[in-house]
Amino acid sequence: AQKITQTQPGMFVQEKEAVTLDCTYDTSDPSYGLFWYKQPSSGEMIFLIYQGSYDQQNATEGRYSLNFQKARKSANLVISASQLGDSAMYFCAMREGTGRRALTFGSGTRLQVQP
Amino acid sequence: KAGVTQTPRYLIKTRGQQVTLSCSPISGHRSVSWYQQTPGQGLQFLFEYFSETQRNKGNFPGRFSGRQFSNSRSEMNVSTLELGDSALYLCASSLEDRVENTIYFGEGSWLTVV
Repeated sequence: AQKITQTQPGMFVQEKEAVTLDCTYDTSDPSYGLFWYKQPSSGEMIFLIYQGSYDQQNATEGRYSLNFQKARKSANLVISASQLGDSAMYFCAMREGTGRRALTFGSGTRLQVQP
Repeated sequence: KAGVTQTPRYLIKTRGQQVTLSCSPISGHRSVSWYQQTPGQGLQFLFEYFSETQRNKGNFPGRFSGRQFSNSRSEMNVSTLELGDSALYLCASSLEDRVENTIYFGEGSWLTVV
């Protein structure tokens, strides 16, 4: 079963507007971490934000915030004030506390910011 | 501080050859992991090393191998290359392998098998 689901293959947003990228996950492990990465066409996977399963507050990092709804098993990324440089692929990933502890990635969302 | 460094960035190999990719983790990081990214399969975990020991391995054939040195630098090797091995190979490092440790990636090595 797919553990990370990103249902939006592609998204468009106007410059300076906010955008939400969806991510749902599936795990029975009470301890897990959720990550968002940005991948420009160069290939580098850039870390954006992290949310732990026991964190009480939603994570924020500059223009990035994570809307963590534990009961719904969702971890949506919100980018405020979009910039042209935000155009890239965005991946949601999860790391479970037991077992293999490797990152499991979603299929990604391609975000295009329009001027 | 310097990020995760991967070499080479781009390479072209012929079917049947072997290839070695190198990764230098962020200073102080002891966990190094490798991922393969292809358009068809997405991002898949290859293996993880911690203090020179392979801790975890993904579902890849034995042609894929790796190792980690005492300075935490890591190499991965693919023998008897197949066309399907063409991919972006990403190395990642973290302080340890705890859930809360941030995982940082390098720029990747683009491998083309012809």
